[in-house]
Formats: sequence, C-alpha cells, structure tokens
Amino acid sequence: GESVGLHLPTLSVQEGDNSIINCAYSNSASDYFIWYKQESGKGPQFIIDIRSNMDKRQGQRVTVLLNKTVKHLSLQIAATQPGDSAVYLCAENRGSNYQLIWGAGTKLIIKP
Amino acid sequence: IAGITQAPTSQILAAGRRMTLRCTQDMRHNAMYWYRQDLGLGLRLIHYSNTAGTTGKGEVPDGYSVSRANTDDFPLTLASAVPSQTSVYFCASSATSGGPQFFGPGTRLTVL
Repeated sequence: GESVGLHLPTLSVQEGDNSIINCAYSNSASDYFIWYKQESGKGPQFIIDIRSNMDKRQGQRVTVLLNKTVKHLSLQIAATQPGDSAVYLCAENRGSNYQLIWGAGTKLIIKP
Repeated sequence: IAGITQAPTSQILAAGRRMTLRCTQDMRHNAMYWYRQDLGLGLRLIHYSNTAGTTGKGEVPDGYSVSRANTDDFPLTLASAVPSQTSVYFCASSATSGGPQFFGPGTRLTVL
C-alpha cells in the first residue's frame, strides 16, 4: 500500500556535525515531497520541498535529496545547532487532487 | 493577524458537549485542512476544503464537521465530544490543494 515512513525514529547528533534524516516512500506516482520541522508544543513548520523532476534542492543550511530509483528522500542539516532539536516530518503528494501523506516523524536530538 | 491562527489554545471539555475549534488565515489561501495529532499516530487528516464553499472528508472524519463559508475561516465542530477525541488539533492552509501547507499553533483538547 501507499506509505511514507522513516528509517529511524530517533537520531542523536553531536552539535556542529551534519544531520541526515531519511524517509522512504512506496508510491512511485508521488511527485512532490515536503519536509517539516515540529518543535515541542508547536505546529509543523515548512522547511523545504522538492518535485520529482529534481534530485537535489538546497536551502539555508538544509539540503533535500530525492532518489526516485529507490524511493528515498533525505534531509541534510549542516552544522547542526541546539535549535535544530525537533521532530522532522516528511510528506508526499501525487498530485493536486490528492492530500498529503505524512510520515510518523524522526526526533532529532542534539548532543552538546 | 499574521499567517494562521487557532482558538482556543487549549480546552477541557466534558463528554457529550458541543465544541467548535476556530481557524483563521490571512494569506488568502484557497485550501484549508484540519488534522489531529496523537502520540505514535502522527498527523491524521480529519476534513479539508480545496476552496471556499467546498469541503471533503479526510482519513478520520467521524464525529467532526466543518464548514467553509469564506476563504479565511474554517471551523471544526465536535457535535458531541467523546474521550477518544482528546488530541492536539492543527489547522493548516495552502495556496493550492496539494501544495505546501502552513500550520497554526494547534489546539490541545481534552475530553473527560
């Protein structure tokens, strides 16, 4: 069936190191992917998105990589900071007539 | 108002009572959404509206109703609250259906 999932529920990273958060999807028809950051007690916050005609997109300190061959999406955060501690959610969509399909999330913990 | 707002921030409600959660956006987005978020279950779509005057059912619509009389407002009503509706409720909007969604701060609802 269709699903968006995460390889690791919790990721611990040393402050200053790079973080890589992974997400797998099963629907090859999906053509749009989004990453969100959700801090404790707050609503999800849009980070970055990518369409299936791209394999990489960069933002401020973040990069999203899309590998359509293996249906894999990743979010890379450079020089991780304490403020990056949050749950990161990936979502996919296969067209404007469909709703986003959400993954359960990965909790990122920053070690001092 | 900047972005998307929700009210109340939190509420404790007796079972059987009627409750309306309010959501307002000032971004002139066409589409709006209501989600509930429960620990271990992630975000689940309750109802959505692709444009003013139209609504649709999401993954978990039972016990909830919505209306979209205008572009800005998208209230969610629990006609007769039950304890299983205890959750954090998020409203979101997007310029177009299927596009990136922007979330409100959430309403924490406890039904006793």
